[in-house]
Amino acid sequence: EVQLVESGGGLVQPGGSLRLSCAASGFTFRNHGMNWARQAPGKGLEWISYIGGDGRAIYYAPSVKGRFTISRDNGENSLHLQMNSLRAEDTAVYYCARDFRWSQDYWGQGTLVTVSS
Amino acid sequence: QSALTQPPSASGSPGQSVTISCTGTSNDVGAYNYVSWYQQYPGKAPKLIIYEVTKRPSGVPDRFSGSKSGNTASLTVSGLQAEDEADYYCSSYGDINNRWVFGGGSKLTVL
Repeated sequence: EVQLVESGGGLVQPGGSLRLSCAASGFTFRNHGMNWARQAPGKGLEWISYIGGDGRAIYYAPSVKGRFTISRDNGENSLHLQMNSLRAEDTAVYYCARDFRWSQDYWGQGTLVTVSS
Repeated sequence: QSALTQPPSASGSPGQSVTISCTGTSNDVGAYNYVSWYQQYPGKAPKLIIYEVTKRPSGVPDRFSGSKSGNTASLTVSGLQAEDEADYYCSSYGDINNRWVFGGGSKLTVL
């Protein structure tokens, strides 16, 4: 059974940093691209970053480019998102999601990030 | 403002059919057959129900179907059931600067 479990969310002050992790199991992790997406409270979904299976292809949404860094550890079956220079508008539930046929077929339960003073 | 445009709401009675539209541009929906649809219940993670415009993942009822014409994609839910009441989001491959773009979501109400 495919499982994705996010962790690392919490309350952080504006300008601060946070590192999210996603533990993957139930599939061959290195064979799949992975994504981070987020959902602000009461709002829609927003894709924010993608990393290829071997870690070489990396893309960011314009809203986070230059502030967030995606990475993965195929030996540990884990995905990470380093978030720096956080802003109030980054407040959201952050999801990791497995890439599949130009879509995302499995999503974690999400971790809440709140940026507030 | 979301990149793809969806109606905020849709509704239908049990047994009826309802269609939700998703309008993009010639750079995303119109350029690729990579439109997907997600179902999301309150407080839960999104679930993939349609990928590559028309394909259904294993386990998704065939009451859910997708289509596309030009820059507009559509999700049709036939034989509406109470359990179909949820938020629905469309998504499309965009470009190298914004790999995936989502719609703002449509809340489906089963009357």
